[in-house]
Amino acid sequence: GAVVSQHPSRVICKSGTSVKIECRSLDFQATTMFWYRQFPKQSLMLMATSNEGSKATYEQGVEKDKFLINHASLTLSTLTVTSAHPEDSSFYICSANGARDQETQYFGPGTRLLVL
Amino acid sequence: RKEVEQDPGPFNVPEGATVAFNCTYSNSASQSFFWYRQDCRKEPKLLMSVYSSGNEDGRFTAQLNRASQYISLLIRDSKLSDSATYLCVVYSGYSTLTFGKGTMLLVSP
Repeated sequence: GAVVSQHPSRVICKSGTSVKIECRSLDFQATTMFWYRQFPKQSLMLMATSNEGSKATYEQGVEKDKFLINHASLTLSTLTVTSAHPEDSSFYICSANGARDQETQYFGPGTRLLVL
Repeated sequence: RKEVEQDPGPFNVPEGATVAFNCTYSNSASQSFFWYRQDCRKEPKLLMSVYSSGNEDGRFTAQLNRASQYISLLIRDSKLSDSATYLCVVYSGYSTLTFGKGTMLLVSP
């Protein structure tokens, strides 16, 4: 099956620093990648959708200048949390789908961010 | 009204029990429906798709009622390894999945 990796799996940083999270599709070309955030005991909330070579589409309430998304190739998307604050601490999960099946998303293992 | 609503949890059941989860969705134009399983601190993983005719995969049975906008998941003969959070997920087009909050299942010996 399709494999999606994320790096790092866990990061602890000081308030005010920026954190970059990478999402890679390892064995398929991901036309679309998705970034989700999940707070404890909450559902996954879609933050943004990105297509290779174009600007990401952000969900309402998600600050595009704070959560920078770059989807430079068909196998890599990055999410940068700029000037992170403690309230940004969360579980960030990416997913990807291929061109043929828009319903199926393959999830990365997630990145747990803790901002002190 | 939330787009996808699920039973509040947690459900605590003994091994061997049968347990049912319910889910309702608000978008009548939703196209496809799924149950995902999420273990603690892990990513969600697809458990099964849900079809109008109902479908079964081993101990798991999923049902869809489009008229009532209702989805269910039945787990028979619960195992300890079934302990997880079960997410009801709806696809409404444009590659977008909408997740329910999830229902936690705890199976005890």
